[in-house]
Amino acid sequence: DAKTTQPPSMDCAEGRAANLPCNHSTISGNEYVYWYRQIHSQGPQYIIHGLKNNETNEMASLIITEDRKSSTLILPHATLRDTAVYYCPHMTTDSWGKLQFGAGTQVVVTP
Amino acid sequence: DTEVTQTPKHLVMGMTNKKSLKCEQHMGHRAMYWYKQKAKKPPELMFVYSYEKLSINESVPSRFSPECPNSSLLNLHLHALQPEDSALYLCASSQPDDYEQYFGPGTRLTVT
Repeated sequence: DAKTTQPPSMDCAEGRAANLPCNHSTISGNEYVYWYRQIHSQGPQYIIHGLKNNETNEMASLIITEDRKSSTLILPHATLRDTAVYYCPHMTTDSWGKLQFGAGTQVVVTP
Repeated sequence: DTEVTQTPKHLVMGMTNKKSLKCEQHMGHRAMYWYKQKAKKPPELMFVYSYEKLSINESVPSRFSPECPNSSLLNLHLHALQPEDSALYLCASSQPDDYEQYFGPGTRLTVT
């Protein structure tokens, strides 16, 4: 059973913002929202995480809804190098260390 | 140094062979992980080591045998694998209690 759900694919024009949604309706109150991406033929790369408040770093911004049932990862100015599969994995709290990756969203940035 | 290195990059082995995958990090992380990733699928957790002790085994067949000889090294010993075990094997590390994991580039394994 999927703990997080994401759209399977998304296209974005270079230079435009990419807004990637994730539904995590079963998230517990103490579970963070994490985002990773995986560029083709590379290992996954951590992007950002948050608990309740919106977060921003040099890579992206994270918007978490007030009920915490969904979040949006924002790539403010997408580049061709942002083409990747983006994951919002579920983190289990019964056994520390378990990140469960769903199918993710394949983002293709086009010129 | 925020790099996780994995060797070899590619490995082809027969079903009767014994081989090992190696992973190394020098970030002082005390948690290390093995993941398996089939083509066009997400990574699946196999093992977690915390403070050099195996803390999670996701019901992985015994033909995969992990080893953590010290806090910087993680090995995955392979024996009598099946063709369906062909996949990308990813290593990751983090601080304990932290889900910000650093992944290596992976070892592409083909079992013939």
